[in-house]
Amino acid sequence: ETGVTQTPRHLVMGMTNKKSLKCEQHLGHNAMYWYKQSAKKPLELMFVYNFKEQTENNSVPSRFSPECPNSSHLFLHLHTLQPEDSALYLCASSFRRWTSGGGETQYFGPGTRLLVL
Amino acid sequence: SQQGEEDPQALSIQEGENATMNCSYKTSINNLQWYRQNSGRGLVHLILIRSNEREKHSGRLRVTLDTSKKSSSLLITASRAADTASYFCATVGGTSYGKLTFGQGTILTVHP
Repeated sequence: ETGVTQTPRHLVMGMTNKKSLKCEQHLGHNAMYWYKQSAKKPLELMFVYNFKEQTENNSVPSRFSPECPNSSHLFLHLHTLQPEDSALYLCASSFRRWTSGGGETQYFGPGTRLLVL
Repeated sequence: SQQGEEDPQALSIQEGENATMNCSYKTSINNLQWYRQNSGRGLVHLILIRSNEREKHSGRLRVTLDTSKKSSSLLITASRAADTASYFCATVGGTSYGKLTFGQGTILTVHP
């Protein structure tokens, strides 16, 4: 968890609310990721950003909107969520070496526990 | 689709015993990684083994990789109560450029 911070740690929101999750990495990495972890399901990759450019959107509904203003910060904007979106949202970062084709170690934040009522 | 699948789903042992967790996957990989997660927290990277490696050690951890069987194992020796956590394997395929595909994990409980 050291080096990647996430805020807030817990969030309760209604289905009509708009909120944002924030992730910050202090490791000098150039790639950042959002994952969703639901009970009894494998960790699901949502978005990948390399050098601030989104390179993967894993068929995520448009009610989740990512933003990466620079290589150290990553946001996940939430609006009109559904109760089934309640989960632990994890941010991760890594140092992408293009010659290696990716797959480096990822460093995770502590997560935001989201409850949608 | 490629996915790491851990076995067993849950493992309960006494302190001092060894714990072995297995992971199977479906397609060719660049590397396989093991992560640990304490309850409701972020994942912590434990070890990475590349497709051309067969065994790797880190402290009390030993990881093996058998690409012919598409399987890996994580051995924790002389377990401690503090090792209680969920353990996940994650695979990186040939063209996935950093995309980790996680299994559902093994919940390890070490009783003092």
